[in-house]
Amino acid sequence: SQELEQSPQSLIVQEGKNLTINCTSSKTLYGLYWYKQKYGEGLIFLMMLQKGGEEKSHEKITAKLDEKKQQSSLHITASQPSHAGIYLCGADIEKNQGAQKLVFGQGTRLTINP
Amino acid sequence: DAGITQSPRHKVTETGTPVTLRCHQTENHRYMYWYRQDPGHGLRLIHYSYGVKDTDKGEVSDGYSVSRSKTEDFLLTLESATSSQTSVYFCAITHNADTQYFGPGTRLTVL
Repeated sequence: SQELEQSPQSLIVQEGKNLTINCTSSKTLYGLYWYKQKYGEGLIFLMMLQKGGEEKSHEKITAKLDEKKQQSSLHITASQPSHAGIYLCGADIEKNQGAQKLVFGQGTRLTINP
Repeated sequence: DAGITQSPRHKVTETGTPVTLRCHQTENHRYMYWYRQDPGHGLRLIHYSYGVKDTDKGEVSDGYSVSRSKTEDFLLTLESATSSQTSVYFCAITHNADTQYFGPGTRLTVL
């Protein structure tokens, strides 16, 4: 979706290095979701952020949502081969209490070199 | 995986034939969704359901219909498949009112 821009589109890093993936929207994000996908497989849920300024971490992955709720970043510390895959951000851009009609960025393909 | 299964997992069909994809969930989730994933377009919402017999259109609903006669099953039908509908189709559910989990996907090829 053009409503969500992810950058970079691809990323190659040396094992052990840190990296950041960004997800930006021109609209307010009422729920921001990060997923990981291995080629040919389904989406693995990583984290969901809702509040401006919110930050969540799981193992070596940290996600943040900015105060304006229009940009999120995903940071991986000390990358490992297991982090390789496609990272997708999805967002609910409608304020409602019901269905989550997510729009997605085009993904960031992450390669970890040993 | 939030108890989501999709069937079939792979299907090859010919242009003009009807195709039905099934999404099955075992945890009584109210909201269910169908997305398609294509290179260059990412994931796009086709249809969604907010209860038995309650469905609505998403971003790319043309050429697709859905039905939900039971809580656990959400069917996606291509009445007359076209090559532009070659894609990977994902079903999803809303869990705990704020988290969306996805099924394993169905790879559909229309020749």
